[in-house]
Amino acid sequence: SAVISQKPSRDICQRGTSLTIQCQVDSQVTMMFWYRQQPGQSLTLIATANQGSEATYESGFVIDKFPISRPNLTFSTLTVSNMSPEDSSIYLCSVDSLDGGYTFGSGTRLTVV
Amino acid sequence: AQKITQTQPGMFVQEKEAVTLDCTYDTSDPSYGLFWYKQPSSGEMIFLIYQGSYDQQNATEGRYSLNFQKARKSANLVISASQLGDSAMYFCAMREAWILTGGGNKLTFGTGTQLKVEL
Repeated sequence: SAVISQKPSRDICQRGTSLTIQCQVDSQVTMMFWYRQQPGQSLTLIATANQGSEATYESGFVIDKFPISRPNLTFSTLTVSNMSPEDSSIYLCSVDSLDGGYTFGSGTRLTVV
Repeated sequence: AQKITQTQPGMFVQEKEAVTLDCTYDTSDPSYGLFWYKQPSSGEMIFLIYQGSYDQQNATEGRYSLNFQKARKSANLVISASQLGDSAMYFCAMREAWILTGGGNKLTFGTGTQLKVEL
C-alpha cells in the first residue's frame, strides 16, 4: 500500500496567520483526500484533490479558507487560512491504496492561539 | 440521517477477552465498502479491515473480524484476545459508489468508540 509523508506533524500558530500542510505519496495516485478532526470528534472530509483540476469541497468548507494544490500525482498541499482558535484540529491527508484500504498520513496537530 | 452510526462512545474489556464494537450504516447504494480504523492517542489512522457489500464471507484479518449482517445494515468489529495495545479509538467508515456521492471513493466516518483494555 502507499506510504504518505505528512508535514508538519504539529504546529502552534497565531490567529490570523496561515499554515500550509504538505503530503507526499510514494506512488502516483489519482485522488487525495483532506480531512479535519476537531478535538474529540470524528473525521470530516474537507475536500477531494484531483491532479490537474480544482479540488471538490464538501459542504461547509470553502476554497478561500482551505485552498488546496495538487501539482502532480504524488503531492498535495492544504492551507488553513486566516486561522482562528476554532481551526485547532488534526488535519489528515489520505489516498486510496487500491488494496481495499485507504492510507492516511500521520496527521498535523494544529493549535491556534 | 447519519450514514454511519456507532452507538458505543466507550467500551471496556479485560485483557485476553473478545470485544465487539458496533457499527450500523445507511445507504441506498448497492455497491459500498465498509472499513474499520484504529486511532491511537498519537493520532495516526491505522487500517484494520475491509468488507465489500458483495463479499459473501465475513472479512477477517488476524485478531480482527467483521460481523457483516447486510439485511440489518450492520458491520460490527470483533477483536479477539484483546491486548493492552488495542486501547484506542476505533472508527467505522463507509465508501459509497461514485455515482451517488458525486465525488468518488470518499469515506464517511462514524463518531468512533473509545476502547480501553484493562488488566
